[in-house]
Amino acid sequence: DAGVTQSPTHLIKTRGQHVTLRCSPISGHKSVSWYQQVLGQGPQFIFQYYEKEERGRGNFPDRFSARQFPNYSSELNVNALLLGDSALYLCASSLEGEVRTQYFGPGTRLLVL
Amino acid sequence: KNQVEQSPQSLIILEGKNCTLQCNYTVSPFSNLRWYKQDTGRGPVSLTIMTFSENTKSNGRYTATLDADTKQSSLHITASQLSDSASYICVVSEDSGAGSYQLTFGKGTKLSVIP
Repeated sequence: DAGVTQSPTHLIKTRGQHVTLRCSPISGHKSVSWYQQVLGQGPQFIFQYYEKEERGRGNFPDRFSARQFPNYSSELNVNALLLGDSALYLCASSLEGEVRTQYFGPGTRLLVL
Repeated sequence: KNQVEQSPQSLIILEGKNCTLQCNYTVSPFSNLRWYKQDTGRGPVSLTIMTFSENTKSNGRYTATLDADTKQSSLHITASQLSDSASYICVVSEDSGAGSYQLTFGKGTKLSVIP
C-alpha cells in the first residue's frame, strides 16, 4: 500500500510569490495535518483537517491556508513568501481525527530566495 | 506551556556501540509518547509509541522507556549500524479532551554512527 505522498519534492520560489503544496493521505485516512520543519528544529504544527473541515491551527500567519478535498487529499497554500518560509513541509495522515497515530510523508523542501 | 526537551543535541558513536537518547517533557495531560527516526530531508518514521501505563517498548534494536512520574523517556539503540545515522525526535501527545489531541515535538537528537 502507498504511504503518504507529497508533491512536489523540491521547490524554489522568490520572495513575494505564492506556493501550493499537495498531499495525498494513506488510503482510508480521513485526517491530514501539515507541519513546517526548519533546518535543525522539530516540526511545527500548521493545520489539521478532518473530513474536509479545519480541526486545528497552529501559530502561523494568515499567509498560510489549507484545504481538504472530498477524496481527503489536501493542499497547503502560502502567499507572499518570505525568506523565513524556507523549510521542509511535512504532511501527515491519520485514520480518524485523532493525531496520536500519524504517518508522515516524505515532505516538500521549499527554498525561498 | 507544553515543552519537550531532548538531549544530547547531537551524538557521534562508533558502529556497533550502544547509545541512549533522552527526552523530558512537561506536556499535561499526557496521552502518549512517540519516538520517530528522521533521515535528512525525509519525513519522520515512527519507531515506538507508549501510553501512560507502558514502561518499555521495543522495536528491533530500539528500546524506549517511559517514566510517567518523572516525565522522562529514553530511546536505547543497541549494536548501532551506519544506517542508524539520523535525527531522533520525541513527540508527546496531549489529551485536550473531547477526542482532541495536541502534539508537541522535541527538536531531535542528531545521531551519527561512524565506522
